Amino acid sequence: DAGVIQSPRHEVTEMGQEVTLRCKPISGHNSLFWYRQTMMRGLELLIYFNNNVPIDDSGMPEDRFSAKMPNASFSTLKIQPSEPRDSAVYFCASSSARGETQYFGPGTRLLVL
Amino acid sequence: SQQGEEDPQALSIQEGENATMNCSYKTSINNLQWYRQNSGRGLVHLILIRSNEREKHSGRLRVTLDTSKKSSSLLITASRAADTASYFCATDAFNAGNMLTFGGGTRLMVKP
Repeated sequence: DAGVIQSPRHEVTEMGQEVTLRCKPISGHNSLFWYRQTMMRGLELLIYFNNNVPIDDSGMPEDRFSAKMPNASFSTLKIQPSEPRDSAVYFCASSSARGETQYFGPGTRLLVL
Repeated sequence: SQQGEEDPQALSIQEGENATMNCSYKTSINNLQWYRQNSGRGLVHLILIRSNEREKHSGRLRVTLDTSKKSSSLLITASRAADTASYFCATDAFNAGNMLTFGGGTRLMVKP
């Protein structure tokens, strides 16, 4: 299995631009999670999906952030417009059962100038 | 607030020594997990211990869980330079749906 796949691995953009991060979970996993990691705030859960349905988006910082999961094998996290404080590493993770092991992707390192 | 809090925040030891990291949490859990993160990489699952278990081993890793104290410890025996990483505990709380709540992590440095 290829594991959780994220793209791009690195993104540098200018303030105000739209950023789209992509994730392909492990086949057969029914839960998908988006996290953000910074030195100041640590690892934060942004949103998670169960069977493609958003369950808890209370961690999404503002309306500038949105996430979709159109099917079981693909999810996107979009930031529009982006701001310098959005600079962070964004991780996607998937799991096969409630509360069980999560498998993390390699992350997308985002820098907003 | 974070469910899990690791202690210490940073730990530096010599190769061959044992490393112990602790995690405290606040609410009742179904299980507690430990993850490792190498610099610039994603988190990797190490071990899961369920609320009805008290101790679990995996290679050089030993995890204990004390639900009465709401705490867990991760022991790495005979550490190696390759163990240098950040270690996170994550809890699956009863009322947390499908979510894990991660602590702030312990940064471990193993000097050769």
